Amino acid sequence: EMQLLQSGGGFVQVGRSLRVSCVASGFVLGEYSMSWVRQAPGKGLEWVSETGGDGMTREYADSVKGRFIVSRDNSKNTMYLQMSSLRVDDTAIYYCVKDSIPRNGEFDAFDIWGQGTMVSVSS
Amino acid sequence: EIVLTQSPNFQSVTPKGRVTITCRASQSIGSSLHWYQQKPQQSPKLIISYASQSFSGVPSRFSGSGSGTLFTLTINSLEAEDAATYFCHQTSSLPLTFGQGTKVEIK
Repeated sequence: EMQLLQSGGGFVQVGRSLRVSCVASGFVLGEYSMSWVRQAPGKGLEWVSETGGDGMTREYADSVKGRFIVSRDNSKNTMYLQMSSLRVDDTAIYYCVKDSIPRNGEFDAFDIWGQGTMVSVSS
Repeated sequence: EIVLTQSPNFQSVTPKGRVTITCRASQSIGSSLHWYQQKPQQSPKLIISYASQSFSGVPSRFSGSGSGTLFTLTINSLEAEDAATYFCHQTSSLPLTFGQGTKVEIK
C-alpha cells in the first residue's frame, strides 16, 4: 500500500525556520514528482512547491519563493520542505502529495496524500 | 495564473439525490482537471482525474465530464458518506491551482 508519513511542523514565531518531512512507502519515491500543498485553517487548498523525481527540478508558488526550499533524498524515500522567514500567513496544514503518473514529465493529479502537518506561526 | 471558480459554494441534497458541481477555468486547460473529496479532519482524496477518469476504488456514482474551460462533477444517488467538501484542481500550467471548494451537505 502506498503511503506518505509526515513529521515535523509545530509552533514557531515570525521570522523563524521550520522543516517538515515526508517519508514514502509502498512505492519508489524517485519515480514520481512530488508536491507540497497547504491549507490554512478553514480555507481551501494552495499548491506550494513541486520537485521532479530526480530532485533536479523545483517549482514554487510566488507566495513562498525565496523562503521555502523543497528537497528530496530518494535513497531514504524522503522529501523535505525547509521553511524560512516564516510569516503569520504561512500558518496552515501542510500536505505532501504524490503525482499519479510515474516519470511523466508533466504535472499530474495527486493520488496519494500524507496525513498533514500543522505549522503555526505567531507574532 | 489560471483561476478555477466552482459553483455552487454549498449544496444541500437529500439522500439518493443528485449533486452537480461546476468548475470553470479562466483559460483553456484541456482535460488537465481533477477532483478531490475532503471530509472533516481528513486529507483530500482523489476521486476523478483528467476530467473524467474515475480513480481506483471510487464508487461508480461519482463521474466527471468537460474539457477546455468548463467541467462538471456529478454524484448520483447521494449517500450519507458523500458529505464532504469537493475541490477541483488544474495541472495544465504553473502555478497549480485549486477551486475554492464546494461543501455538500446531506439533508
